[in-house]
Formats: sequence, structure tokens, C-alpha cells
Amino acid sequence: AQKITQTQPGMFVQEKEAVTLDCTYDTSDPSYGLFWYKQPSSGEMIFLIYQGSYDQQNATEGRYSLNFQKARKSANLVISASQLGDSAMYFCAMRGLFSNTGNQFYFGTGTSLTVIP
Amino acid sequence: IAGITQAPTSQILAAGRRMTLRCTQDMRHNAMYWYRQDLGLGLRLIHYSNTAGTTGKGEVPDGYSVSRANTDDFPLTLASAVPSQTSVYFCASSPALGAYGYTFGSGTRLTVV
Repeated sequence: AQKITQTQPGMFVQEKEAVTLDCTYDTSDPSYGLFWYKQPSSGEMIFLIYQGSYDQQNATEGRYSLNFQKARKSANLVISASQLGDSAMYFCAMRGLFSNTGNQFYFGTGTSLTVIP
Repeated sequence: IAGITQAPTSQILAAGRRMTLRCTQDMRHNAMYWYRQDLGLGLRLIHYSNTAGTTGKGEVPDGYSVSRANTDDFPLTLASAVPSQTSVYFCASSPALGAYGYTFGSGTRLTVV
């Protein structure tokens, strides 16, 4: 069974500080990808960062980095130097790579991040 | 601009009415998906299509149907809408199996009264 768990419904962070959004997962696929999406109040879904289960290094994209701990089945998103525009809903998602049962994503319930000036 | 177009943007629908949400992509992606987003539940898969001519059921398919007559279009139909189908609906696509992210449409906000 595939499952994504985000245990933080809401988070607050001071502007310019770093924040970590938690994500744990469960999967039966031997190879899988982990994704983070941002959903601002306008509603669109914006891709942030990707981590493959086979990647040796943690993914980074500008101020976003993914703290991937495969043994713990966690894929936490770290946002450095928070900005007011980072206030949004953040979703962790997973898909099995090269799976024959369907290549759909499984999403967590999301974390609402508020950046305080 | 390449991407996914969803229509309508929002709709208020009387219970019992039939409604089709439209989704069109111009990226020639093989796979397309319909999700519904509800507060506290995240995004849940309704139906998917791995390639034109094939469809499959997701986590919450009841009350919905889809078709995939060609690569570009993936309409979602509510045969007889009920208030529990009030939600935001997202269409998404991806090139194929593998390390590809989704491209999302901008969503359709549906209210069933």
C-alpha cells in the first residue's frame, strides 16, 4: 500500500528563518519518486522539488532542499530564508517509478505554512 | 503556452444534474488524471488514464466517469451530482511512467446545492 503522511496541519515561521515541513511515506515499490508541491491561496499547484529513491544525494532547488532519509522513510522539505511569498499549502507526494499498477501520485493531507513578518 | 486547460473555472450545480468538467492538454502527455481536493483530506485520485483509449479507477471513483478518446482530452462526468461532490477538481498530466512530475490544471471549483 502507498501512503503519505504529513503530521503538521499548520506551521508558522519568522521571515528569513528556515523551516522544515515533515513528510513520511510507505510504499511497496522498490523504486519511487518523492515530490513537493506548493499551493498558494490562488489555488494552482506548483512543483518545487523531486527526489528519487535511488539518488545518493539530497535534492536541492534554490532555497528548497529535501532531507531524504530512506531508512526512516522520510522526505522532509526544508525552506531556507523564508519569505512572505512562501505562505501557502505544501503537499508531499509520491509515485512508484516503472510501476505496472498505475503511475498516479499519492498525496499527503498538506501543511499550511504561514510566514510572519 | 503549453499546459492544461480546465473548464469551467467554477460552477454552482443543482443536485441531480449532470455535469462534465473539461480538461485539455497540449503537451502530448500520455497519462492524465483527475483529483478532488477537500480540506483536511489532501488530493484524492478519482480516475486516471495511462494512455488514450484506456482508463482506470482511483481512490474515489464512485459517482464519476471519464473517457479518453484522444491524447489531449480527458473529461470528467458527474452523472447525477450530489452535495458530497462539492470540491475543487484538478486535472493533471505527466509524460509517462518514471521520474516525471505532474503538470496541473488551474482547477474547477464545483458547488452542488
